[in-house]
Parts: sequence; C-alpha cells; structure tokens
Amino acid sequence: DVKVTQSSRYLVKRTGEKVFLECVQDMDHENMFWYRQDPGLGLRLIYFSYDVKMKEKGDIPEGYSVSREKKERFSLILESASTNQTSMYLCASSPQTGGLETQYFGPGTRLLVL
Amino acid sequence: AQTVTQSQPEMSVQEAETVTLSCTYDTSENNYYLFWYKQPPSRQMILVIRQEAYKQQNATENRFSVNFQKAAKSFSLKISDSQLGDTAMYFCAFMKFQGAQKLVFGQGTRLTINP
Repeated sequence: DVKVTQSSRYLVKRTGEKVFLECVQDMDHENMFWYRQDPGLGLRLIYFSYDVKMKEKGDIPEGYSVSREKKERFSLILESASTNQTSMYLCASSPQTGGLETQYFGPGTRLLVL
Repeated sequence: AQTVTQSQPEMSVQEAETVTLSCTYDTSENNYYLFWYKQPPSRQMILVIRQEAYKQQNATENRFSVNFQKAAKSFSLKISDSQLGDTAMYFCAFMKFQGAQKLVFGQGTRLTINP
C-alpha cells in the first residue's frame, strides 16, 4: 500500500513565523503535490514537483515555497506565516506513468496561525 | 483554465437509499480524466472512481457509478444502497490528458448517511 505521511496533524504558529510542513511518500513516486483545503473552495494546488529539485507553481503559490531534495520528501515552507494561511494542508503523490493514475493523499496538517 | 463546480454543498439521505452527487466542469480540452474522491471525517482522501473522457461507457465500482455526459460537461456520482461508511466529503476533480498531472477540484459535497 502506498503511504503518504505528513509531519504533523495539527500545528499552531504565530504570525511572522517560518513554518515547515513535511511530506514523505514510500512508493518511489515521481510526482508530489501540495494543496490547501478550505470550506467552500475545495482543494487548491499550491506547488507541485515532478522530480527531485524540480518544482512548478500551482494556482495559489503566493506566500509559499517548496523544497524537494530527495525523491521521497516534499516540503512546504511558509516564509512568514499570516492568519490567512490558516487552513488544512494536504500532500499527495503519484507515479509518472499517466494521468489515470490516482493521486495518493496524506492525512493532512491543520495549521492555525494566530 | 479548467473549472469544476459542485452545486450541492450538503446532502443527507437515509441508509440504503440511492443518492446522486452532481458535478459540472468547463474545459476546452477534448481528452481528459475525471475523478471522484472521498474524504471521510478525520481520514485520508481516497479515490472512489475515475473516468476517461474518450470512453463512452460509464465507469462503475461496486455500488458507485458515474453518469458521464461529455457534451453537457457533466459527471455525476451515484451511490446505490448507501451505507453509514459512505458519510464523507466528496470531491469531483478534473485532469488534463497530457502535460502536468494536476488535479482541479470542485468545492466538495458533504454527504451524510443517516441510520
């Protein structure tokens, strides 16, 4: 079974702090994704990566950056957390074999920025 | 840009009933993929069913089936003989056939199955 894990289920940070969200997958997938989930808005793509050290902006990259130094790990960084970044963050991975491959999701990190 | 719309924020049915969740999308692509994902309360998102746009036959997975109407750009999910374990958020999603394998999600429908 594919396993996607995220470093924290719940996180509370203060405005202006630098925040790191970590995601690890164990199935040697090439693609990894970061989404944020907000009520009434569904999931929106922040960044994705299709290979080590490669990254592409998604639909809402402002205020975020990412890092992928190893194939299994994809980090989301909030350089200076703000209250409007309070949200649920979901990581996902998928193989590079074609579009019909499902994305496998982690359990999510619920971030509260005070 | 592609958009996906789920017009039913919440739905509630009795156990064993059949329920249909609606999804419409907008795209200029001819070939693409469509998905329904399920997010149970406090649990991970999982794939329910998927459809390739170039296939006319509607996908089915046990109690789950879709009604794919390409011309109308509609992709509804039917759950037959609903069970308490079907209680979840359901998301419709779109992916282009070629290029980056990015999903575009709808707003979600919160489905509650009542005993």
